[in-house]
Amino acid sequence: GQQVMQIPQYQHVQEGEDFTTYCNSSTTLSNIQWYKQRPGGHPVFLIQLVKSGEVKKQKRLTFQFGEAKKNSSLHITATQTTDVGTYFCAGRGFGNEKLTFGTGTRLTIIP
Amino acid sequence: DTAVSQTPKYLVTQMGNDKSIKCEQNLGHDTMYWYKQDSKKFLKIMFSYNNKELIINETVPNRFSPKSPDKAHLNLHINSLELGDSAVYFCASGRAGDSGNTIYFGEGSWLTVV
Repeated sequence: GQQVMQIPQYQHVQEGEDFTTYCNSSTTLSNIQWYKQRPGGHPVFLIQLVKSGEVKKQKRLTFQFGEAKKNSSLHITATQTTDVGTYFCAGRGFGNEKLTFGTGTRLTIIP
Repeated sequence: DTAVSQTPKYLVTQMGNDKSIKCEQNLGHDTMYWYKQDSKKFLKIMFSYNNKELIINETVPNRFSPKSPDKAHLNLHINSLELGDSAVYFCASGRAGDSGNTIYFGEGSWLTVV
């Protein structure tokens, strides 16, 4: 079945440093979504990427979808304490209802 | 006003008991899901219902039985609870047939089996 892995599993950064999490799927995806889960909270949708090579920005967050539509990345510039949480990618295959979540990257910020 | 609401939020129970978690969504979505998140934060789909019909059933022990009385509700009943069932259970909803549909999660139900 489809598997979606993320690296790193954990990342500790000093406030102000950049952060990147990488997402890799075992199969080609029709689209990929990113979610953020704050500590003690629930996953909340951030963005969706559909096209090969697509890049989208949300303020300090930059999302990329790979050319082969099997990988994606999320980059945060100049992290802030509000960025703390677990970031999940979630991929959907073609003709497939199921959204498979990645293993998540837990970001902690050292003030 | 909560879009996806689930109850109870916290549940502590003994091994062998049977318990239920209820979920309701007011977003007008036709698809609802149950996800399990373990202590390592892995988020795994358990079930998906579309218009009260089961469409996804992952490898889950048959002690877990979902029930969807209507498309706005998806409840989860767990029989003979085991220690390994301790986790956070998230209900979620979305629109079927839309390959880009966003999933909206409830706040989670923290289940602890002792």
